[in-house]
Amino acid sequence: DAGVIQSPRHEVTEMGQEVTLRCKPISGHNSLFWYRQTMMRGLELLIYFNNNVPIDDSGMPEDRFSAKMPNASFSTLKIQPSEPRDSAVYFCASSFSRADNYGYTFGSGTRLTVV
Amino acid sequence: AQKITQTQPGMFVQEKEAVTLDCTYDTSDQSYGLFWYKQPSSGEMIFLIYQGSYDEQNATEGRYSLNFQKARKSANLVISASQLGDSAMYFCAMRESHGSNYKLTFGKGTLLTVNP
Repeated sequence: DAGVIQSPRHEVTEMGQEVTLRCKPISGHNSLFWYRQTMMRGLELLIYFNNNVPIDDSGMPEDRFSAKMPNASFSTLKIQPSEPRDSAVYFCASSFSRADNYGYTFGSGTRLTVV
Repeated sequence: AQKITQTQPGMFVQEKEAVTLDCTYDTSDQSYGLFWYKQPSSGEMIFLIYQGSYDEQNATEGRYSLNFQKARKSANLVISASQLGDSAMYFCAMRESHGSNYKLTFGKGTLLTVNP
């Protein structure tokens, strides 16, 4: 199994530009999570999907952030327009929600730098 | 209020010794799960161990064990026989289950340094 695949690994963009982060979950997993990690705030859950449906987006910072999961094997997190304070590592994780003892499997993360 | 509290920003341990990383949690749910993750300097998040709220025995996975004290709401991670490769950030996390809501909430983490 290739694990959770995120792309790109690194992204440097200018303030005001649109940024799209991509995630392919593990085949068979029915839950997908987007987290943001910063030194100041630690790991924050942004949004999560169950069976491709957004369940909880209360962590999405503001309207500049949007996430989609058009099918079971693909999700995107979009920031438009991007700002320097969005600089962080963004993790995607997936799990099989019915397996109680199954931790999330995380992707390698996307390190976003907005200049 | 914080749901997961890790009071040790940093810990040091000598190689081959055991170390305990503290974690307390706050929930009113009867059914929940507790997890520990390791994040080495390379950045990936690695699942280590899980404890269910109804599990009567402490979870163990190789050199990792979870000291679960339900009444005190603590779920400390014990690493036995520390190795240099154990140097990393360690996160405690809790999953509360509400219907179809299975999200994990993480603590701030503890940076463990293993000295030779």
